[in-house]
Amino acid sequence: EPEVTQTPSHQVTQMGQEVILRCVPISNHLYFYWYRQILGQKVEFLVSFYNNEISEKSEIFDDQFSVERPDGSNFTLKIRSTKLEDSAMYFCASRADANYEQYFGPGTRLTVT
Amino acid sequence: EDQVTQSPEALRLQEGESSSLNCSYTVSGLRGLFWYRQDPGKGPEFLFTLYSAGEEKEKERLKATLTKKESFLHITAPKPEDSATYLCAVRKGTASKLTFGTGTRLQVTL
Repeated sequence: EPEVTQTPSHQVTQMGQEVILRCVPISNHLYFYWYRQILGQKVEFLVSFYNNEISEKSEIFDDQFSVERPDGSNFTLKIRSTKLEDSAMYFCASRADANYEQYFGPGTRLTVT
Repeated sequence: EDQVTQSPEALRLQEGESSSLNCSYTVSGLRGLFWYRQDPGKGPEFLFTLYSAGEEKEKERLKATLTKKESFLHITAPKPEDSATYLCAVRKGTASKLTFGTGTRLQVTL
């Protein structure tokens, strides 16, 4: 069964450093998302991406964040200068065109020290 | 303001003891209510989508229902492997993003 994959599973970085989180969405999906979940809190939407551009973003997704689809399979989230409060689990999700069911990857645990 | 509230926060059941989880929402222009299962340290796993009041969906021991104000996830004769956090999420209007509730942490014991 096709699934969303994410790398790395765990990333530790120092405050102020740049990180790139990587995702490989399900191959025939066209819509891509990033969500995050701070420990013990709800899953929060960050950004959605379709046709090589951002279609929606939340207030969390400020200038420190960017997304890119550098090739036909990868979808990345970059945080330019990480802060302690960026520590969270980051989930990538994708969906097909026909319905709104989003399928999530296993997540990347980002720890900022 | 749109809100998604799940109750209870935590639920402990014995194997075979059926129960229901609640997701109440105040969202204008609901375009779908989604149920996910999340195991510790893992990503949400899609279970169901419900689009209109009165709709029901079933999968194994789980059955999801939807009214104009809330959704229920009924668990019939649960097993220990059903232990997880169950999340509900809504989609509204033309947006495709999902807004999640805080989840119900279910533990099923022998």
